[in-house]
Amino acid sequence: GDSVTQMEGPVTLSEEAFLTINCTYTATGYPSLFWYVQYPGEGLQLLLKATKADDKGSNKGFEATYRKETTSFHLEKGSVQVSDSAVYFCALASGGSYIPTFGRGTSLIVHP
Amino acid sequence: EAQVTQNPRYLITVTGKKLTVTCSQNMNHEYMSWYRQDPGLGLRQIYYSMNVEVTDKGDVPEGYKVSRKEKRNFPLILESPSPNQTSLYFCASSFAGYNEQFFGPGTRLTVL
Repeated sequence: GDSVTQMEGPVTLSEEAFLTINCTYTATGYPSLFWYVQYPGEGLQLLLKATKADDKGSNKGFEATYRKETTSFHLEKGSVQVSDSAVYFCALASGGSYIPTFGRGTSLIVHP
Repeated sequence: EAQVTQNPRYLITVTGKKLTVTCSQNMNHEYMSWYRQDPGLGLRQIYYSMNVEVTDKGDVPEGYKVSRKEKRNFPLILESPSPNQTSLYFCASSFAGYNEQFFGPGTRLTVL
């Protein structure tokens, strides 16, 4: 079945540091890929998405590129802020399935 | 405003006392689902519904019931709660399982 593996956290960075959170997936067919963010005390919200190979999703300075050859969708940001502290979830959804698959989440802590 | 609402946001109850957590969306979404979030385990799907009167089990359905009598509502029912159901619960909706999911703010349940 489909699966998503993302790096374990917490990831602890200083403000303005470069961020990478790794995400790899296993899926049949050609899934859509998503990154969701969960701020403290809130529900998940979509951060960015990509629907086909080589697409780049971007939002709020975050980027991720759909790499079919490496089955990866790594999240990156050039300069993190304290306000980026949150839990980040990688997810996929296949057109043939009505059940999205989520990774376990990676906690990001950014210090001033 | 497009949103998913859940009630209550916080609930403390005792073992065996039936409870219902309500979920409602105003986006005319066909797909709705329930998740529980536990430390170290990420998000796990409990039940999902593809449309009115159509529901199916997710990964961890034991001890839960759902119903979908109206498109906008998808209540989660715990008929005899036990302490291992202490968790953070999220309702989500979308046009389809393979689209962006919209999450509610969460319900923190404690079963004593």
